[in-house]
Amino acid sequence: DGGITQSPKYLFRKEGQNVTLSCEQNLNHDAMYWYRQDPGQGLRLIYYSQIVNDFQKGDIAEGYSVSREKKESFPLTVTSAQKNPTAFYLCASSQGLIAEAFFGQGTRLTVV
Amino acid sequence: GIQVEQSPPDLILQEGANSTLRCNFSDSVNNLQWFHQNPWGQLINLFYIPSGTKQNGRLSATTVATERYSLLYISSSQTTDSGVYFCAVDPYGGSQGNLIFGKGTKLSVKP
Repeated sequence: DGGITQSPKYLFRKEGQNVTLSCEQNLNHDAMYWYRQDPGQGLRLIYYSQIVNDFQKGDIAEGYSVSREKKESFPLTVTSAQKNPTAFYLCASSQGLIAEAFFGQGTRLTVV
Repeated sequence: GIQVEQSPPDLILQEGANSTLRCNFSDSVNNLQWFHQNPWGQLINLFYIPSGTKQNGRLSATTVATERYSLLYISSSQTTDSGVYFCAVDPYGGSQGNLIFGKGTKLSVKP
């Protein structure tokens, strides 16, 4: 089936550790995005990438890093510099500018 | 930056009732989408509707771009309609692909 796959579904991190969240899409979309959702809130953009080997910071990029080495993959690393990483993380993709965005099922990250 | 306001914040309906959810935005937009977030957190695409009216089964949406609002209509609601409904906009002239989300309307449909 075509879609966006995020893994893992649940992730626990000890303080001071880096963790990487996976996002893979087989929709042949050019653009990919990472959003963060906190309880009772809407989504906020962390990073986005319009093409391979290029990405841009969103509104809340501090403490996060990404890479885009392949069109279908856009992993997000939550570093130890992120002060409050416990949240629900959603990956999305779209065909291009101003196009309809589609979302994965999300990864719930908890710091223990 | 652009502001996106959704109303009402919470809505409780009896099964079979109709409802209207509203999304106001403070500036021109390239794109507007409605999503349903299910209890497991997944965002389901409902409508991609920068302007005009669309219908899909019991759901329909209207965006009046010149007046900066969009409406989502749910008719004959079912318990499976429960969840949070988000409106998201891509501001005209904003960062590419940066969807700005409202805080959502939490809908509970009682049997």
